[in-house]
Amino acid sequence: DAKTTQPTSMDCAEGRAANLPCNHSTISGNEYVYWYRQIHSQGPQYIIHGLKNNETNEMASLIITEDRKSSTLILPHATLRDTAVYYCIVRTLLGTSGSRLTFGEGTQLTVNP
Amino acid sequence: DAGVIQSPRHEVTEMGQEVTLRCKPISGHNSLFWYRQTMMRGLELLIYFNNNVPIDDSGMPEDRFSAKMPNASFSTLKIQPSEPRDSAVYFCASSFRAENTEAFFGQGTRLTVV
Repeated sequence: DAKTTQPTSMDCAEGRAANLPCNHSTISGNEYVYWYRQIHSQGPQYIIHGLKNNETNEMASLIITEDRKSSTLILPHATLRDTAVYYCIVRTLLGTSGSRLTFGEGTQLTVNP
Repeated sequence: DAGVIQSPRHEVTEMGQEVTLRCKPISGHNSLFWYRQTMMRGLELLIYFNNNVPIDDSGMPEDRFSAKMPNASFSTLKIQPSEPRDSAVYFCASSFRAENTEAFFGQGTRLTVV
């Protein structure tokens, strides 16, 4: 599986943008980058995913470099409720059998008042 | 849709007992994942089903663990016999098969083996 590397922890001030980096240098050309987050012991929550182009939804923006070896998740206006562990994942293709999600260690984002 | 439904939410059992965890995926989804989460090892993928067929069970710890998916709307993860080191939160997730669709997670089952 393509391995991802993320910082262990980050801090962000409430109301500011949170930029979470991720390296995935071994990603294959047709593998997607996914971001999930997990608050306390709740089930992981989907945030956003992309292949090549930058993506934006109501939760966040995803910036993928042109060589696809890294990406950045942007939370434009972080709130205290955004405090969570954020996982960057490369969805591994299994031929015609679909694909799987393998989680790494993630980044603990703490949003401070 | 109510999302991925797991039961029970909490389970406390004695060492040596059989434990069965249940999962109802989102209707229409054809891929199902079982994960285990501990402080030490994080979120580990145990097994992955596609169209009710186990595709990858390389994450299943040992023979004490087994998973089935008898139909598209139900899956079980069984531990027999259970051991204290199996204590963890077990998550089930489902998605469409395609690699460009998100997977949705259930709220998990917190298992404690004493």
